[in-house]
Amino acid sequence: AQTVTQSQPEMSVQEAETVTLSCTYDTSESNYYLFWYKQPPSRQMILVIRQEAYKQQNATENRFSVNFQKAAKSFSLKISDSQLGDTAMYFCAFMKTGNQFYFGTGTSLTVIP
Amino acid sequence: DTGVSQNPRHKITKRGQNVTFRCDPISEHNRLYWYRQTLGQGPEFLTYFQNEAQLEKSRLLSDRFSAERPKGSFSTLEIQRTEQGDSAMYLCAGERFRVDYGYTFGSGTRLTVV
Repeated sequence: AQTVTQSQPEMSVQEAETVTLSCTYDTSESNYYLFWYKQPPSRQMILVIRQEAYKQQNATENRFSVNFQKAAKSFSLKISDSQLGDTAMYFCAFMKTGNQFYFGTGTSLTVIP
Repeated sequence: DTGVSQNPRHKITKRGQNVTFRCDPISEHNRLYWYRQTLGQGPEFLTYFQNEAQLEKSRLLSDRFSAERPKGSFSTLEIQRTEQGDSAMYLCAGERFRVDYGYTFGSGTRLTVV
């Protein structure tokens, strides 16, 4: 079975600063996808960034980037120039190709003005 | 508008009653997933459909739960004889299989069983 671990239940960051959220996973699969989803308070989950395991290059989406270490089974999210709107619960998720998602327990991020 | 609508947004029901939730994805979402999210936890997989076929069900989906996706369009999730432990957010997600490699989530239905 696949497991996803987010070891930081809560984090905070000053506005405009950089923060890194951690995620590790366990799998025996070689082909898979990793995701970070954002869930603002009382709002729907939104895809932040996606990484294909077969790609060595780390994914980047504007202020969001990942550090994907396949051998270490680590997938951290870096948020640069943090904004108040980044305040949300962040979930790391794993997906085997064509299969269900496995989510971590989430990290609650608060951006402080 | 993400293309996945869920109704109702909130449902309060008495223990023992039956409830039904509806999910409307966009027509391009050939896969539809149901997840349950309890407070402080990540979503947990319940079941998914490819078009109208229900391909997988989690062990979390007891015999009190049933899901359908007639004609491969909208989907319903019914819980019979609700229990307090069923209180959770029920999330629906759509996917264009082998195109998106990721979900589009709806806003969820929050169920409270009293």
